[in-house]
Amino acid sequence: NAGVTQTPKFQVLKTGQSMTLQCAQDMNHNSMYWYRQDPGMGLRLIYYSASEGTTDKGEVPNGYNVSRLNKREFSLRLESAAPSQTSVYFCASSNVGTGGLWTEAFFGQGTRLTVV
Amino acid sequence: RKEVEQDPGPFNVPEGATVAFNCTYSNSASQSFFWYRQDCRKEPKLLMSVYSSGNEDGRFTAQLNRASQYISLLIRDSKLSDSATYLCVVLNYGQNFVFGPGTRLSVLP
Repeated sequence: NAGVTQTPKFQVLKTGQSMTLQCAQDMNHNSMYWYRQDPGMGLRLIYYSASEGTTDKGEVPNGYNVSRLNKREFSLRLESAAPSQTSVYFCASSNVGTGGLWTEAFFGQGTRLTVV
Repeated sequence: RKEVEQDPGPFNVPEGATVAFNCTYSNSASQSFFWYRQDCRKEPKLLMSVYSSGNEDGRFTAQLNRASQYISLLIRDSKLSDSATYLCVVLNYGQNFVFGPGTRLSVLP
């Protein structure tokens, strides 16, 4: 079972460069999420997509854009990378389970991004 | 105030010890509750969901007090392999998972 797959695993960017982080899930989940994790800050939500065709801002959306390409894929784009965006990025997915309660979030392995 | 707060840690305990982690959340509309485990430089993984009646999984026991907006995790008979960061997570009505900052546990031989 692949679960949630993120690419790339590592990336170094120069300030001002752009890149797209890719995420795909094979669990037929409706909801997908992008988080960033910085030392001492925990995981903070950047954007999420409750269902195909919808996206919403999270706690720290500035400097990022997202695309929910289809039910499986949710990409995160940095248009002009800044050193403050150096972080570990995690994609996650979730779904409604039995009784209408949401299942837990399943995470990809993360992308370690350094902006110099 | 952060929406989800946890003991700052770190906790350094000997093998075989019992250790308890506490978590509080501020949004009374939070729907679901979880404890995740995160190993160094790895993705978070579900340890257990937390139910109002309390639940147990082997050496791990989780409790939820909705009135006090408080969640706990008890680990009995700690093993070296329990060393990790433990994340308290709540799911809000808008389908957002909100993570606490985590509490690091080191189990010492």
